[in-house]
Amino acid sequence: KNEVEQSPQNLTAQEGEFITINCSYSVGISALHWLQQHPGGGIVSLFMLSSGKKKHGRLIATINIQEKHSSLHITASHPRDSAVYICAVLPLQAGTALIFGKGTTLSVSS
Amino acid sequence: KAGVTQTPRYLIKTRGQQVTLSCSPISGHRSVSWYQQTPGQGLQFLFEYFSETQRNKGNFPGRFSGRQFSNSRSEMNVSTLELGDSALYLCASNEGPAGTGELFFGEGSRLTVL
Repeated sequence: KNEVEQSPQNLTAQEGEFITINCSYSVGISALHWLQQHPGGGIVSLFMLSSGKKKHGRLIATINIQEKHSSLHITASHPRDSAVYICAVLPLQAGTALIFGKGTTLSVSS
Repeated sequence: KAGVTQTPRYLIKTRGQQVTLSCSPISGHRSVSWYQQTPGQGLQFLFEYFSETQRNKGNFPGRFSGRQFSNSRSEMNVSTLELGDSALYLCASNEGPAGTGELFFGEGSRLTVL
């Protein structure tokens, strides 16, 4: 079983729809990251969370430490949001590296 | 402020050869971490260097190695290349240890092994 599970694996949406991507993890963590990767490779950091909720424009990220779960929401989705969204966790155990989910591929059509 | 720069962006090698990839972090960042990305496995951690010391190493064979210089630039080397080493190799730089703050990634070096 992977330590970081994302769902769904693939997601298609119409422009304007509300999108939710989920990330569940099995280890205690000190931080969780949401990353965005567009075709071509470059990865951009969207959020780093250790508790609660963060908002940036149309993107909202939440985390529930007790339930070991985080969600990334996109409100009023747009075709430019089409990308792979990756969840990564930094375990509490000292000296442990980031563990990544396999990613969620989002395609938004107009 | 310049971003993270990786060179070369694309390269093609044959089995048995070796390759060296370079990563220049954001000015002032002391941590450089390396990742391998393949369609089947996703992103996997290779190693992290912080102030010229290897801080952490992922579960990869000894053919994969790296180093960091006093100016924080880092190189990774893969010797005796295998077909399965074909991947996108990404580096990320951070002010502190990787993952403790915002991650800044380079565009990656895409390696094809024939």
